Amino acid sequence: EAQVTQNPRYLITVTGKKLTVTCSQNMNHEYMSWYRQDPGLGLRQIYYSMNVEVTDKGDVPEGYKVSRKEKRNFPLILESPSPNQTSLYFCASSLSARDIGQYFGPGTRLTVT
Amino acid sequence: GESVGLHLPTLSVQEGDNSIINCAYSNSASDYFIWYKQESGKGPQFIIDIRSNMDKRQGQRVTVLLNKTVKHLSLQIAATQPGDSAVYFCAGDPSGNTPLVFGKGTRLSVIA
Repeated sequence: EAQVTQNPRYLITVTGKKLTVTCSQNMNHEYMSWYRQDPGLGLRQIYYSMNVEVTDKGDVPEGYKVSRKEKRNFPLILESPSPNQTSLYFCASSLSARDIGQYFGPGTRLTVT
Repeated sequence: GESVGLHLPTLSVQEGDNSIINCAYSNSASDYFIWYKQESGKGPQFIIDIRSNMDKRQGQRVTVLLNKTVKHLSLQIAATQPGDSAVYFCAGDPSGNTPLVFGKGTRLSVIA
């Protein structure tokens, strides 16, 4: 089954404790991205990757890091999480940035206390 | 820069009626638009897309209309069903080489 998976689905952590949210797709997609979704603000892009070893900042990259060492994986790293990073995070992938629709993962709800 | 927004944050329709969800965009160079459906607790799901060389595109029970003159697009859902209850997002491509810009969403509620 074609899908984007994220782990964990739910995470509660404390300020400053490094965490990684994993994202994996099994569709051989070149393009992957991370979004955060907040009430009243909609989906905002954090980082995206056009292909392996190619990553670029989205609209709200501050406080986040990503890596794309393999085509299928695109982890999101919070080196020192802060409460304003409490949000719902989605990973997405597509054949290319402009290709037909993006496949979204199920979401990761992160709470930073 | 590009902004994509929806006219109404909520929309309630009777089961069986048609639904129309509207969206406006600001960048006249945008040439690709997508509608997504997001059900509670799930990620957005692709519904239908349209490129700027088209005015209309139809899918199963859904139609997207694009009016480039007024920079407006709409999603029409025929014979709305309870399973259509969700938040609907439009997303636009501001420049052709950068990722999509998402609107904030309209919550569609279907009244049985």
